[in-house]
Amino acid sequence: NAGVTQTPKFRVLKTGQSMTLLCAQDMNHEYMYWYRQDPGMGLRLIHYSVGEGTTAKGEVPDGYNVSRLKKQNFLLGLESAAPSQTSVYFCASRSSGIKEGEQYFGPGTRLTVT
Amino acid sequence: LAKTTQPISMDSYEGQEVNITCSHNNIATNDYITWYQQFPSQGPRFIIQGYKTKVTNEVASLFIPADRKSSTLSLPRVSLSDTAVYYCLVGDVRGSQGNLIFGKGTKLSVKP
Repeated sequence: NAGVTQTPKFRVLKTGQSMTLLCAQDMNHEYMYWYRQDPGMGLRLIHYSVGEGTTAKGEVPDGYNVSRLKKQNFLLGLESAAPSQTSVYFCASRSSGIKEGEQYFGPGTRLTVT
Repeated sequence: LAKTTQPISMDSYEGQEVNITCSHNNIATNDYITWYQQFPSQGPRFIIQGYKTKVTNEVASLFIPADRKSSTLSLPRVSLSDTAVYYCLVGDVRGSQGNLIFGKGTKLSVKP
């Protein structure tokens, strides 16, 4: 199993450009999450999904949109990138089964907005 | 949401036992305590989770007193590879899925 994968690993955008980050998991997990991590900080939840076709806002949702059209994929979109969105983005997933609270994280996407 | 307080940093030497304490005074009845480890340039990795008393796995032990207002992550005989940031999270993992808050964590430095 590949676990949780993220595409791309690195990206540089200019202010106002748009992009989509892709997260994929092959563990048949119901729940998926998008976080951002800024230098010296913990992770902050952007959006999450409790199942295919559902999404919900987290702690810092402004400027981002998400979609969960397929159970294994969770997309994070930036419609008009801003320098404040320069960060490392992590995707995570988890099962609704026995190990509740145990999230599996991807390797991250480092995004720079100039 | 239960707020957690951890030391910002800790130093240790190889072979020692490390205990990292997390305070969570307003923990709710349905809240669980979860610890994650994060290496530089990687995503966090689940270490251990518990509700009360003691939980042990192949990596660590988690001690939770009866009042559950704090918890202690114990790493036996650390090595250089245990140098990482450790996060304590408190939340109702069976309820709303958006309430697990990662604080700034504790940066553990293990020296030879």
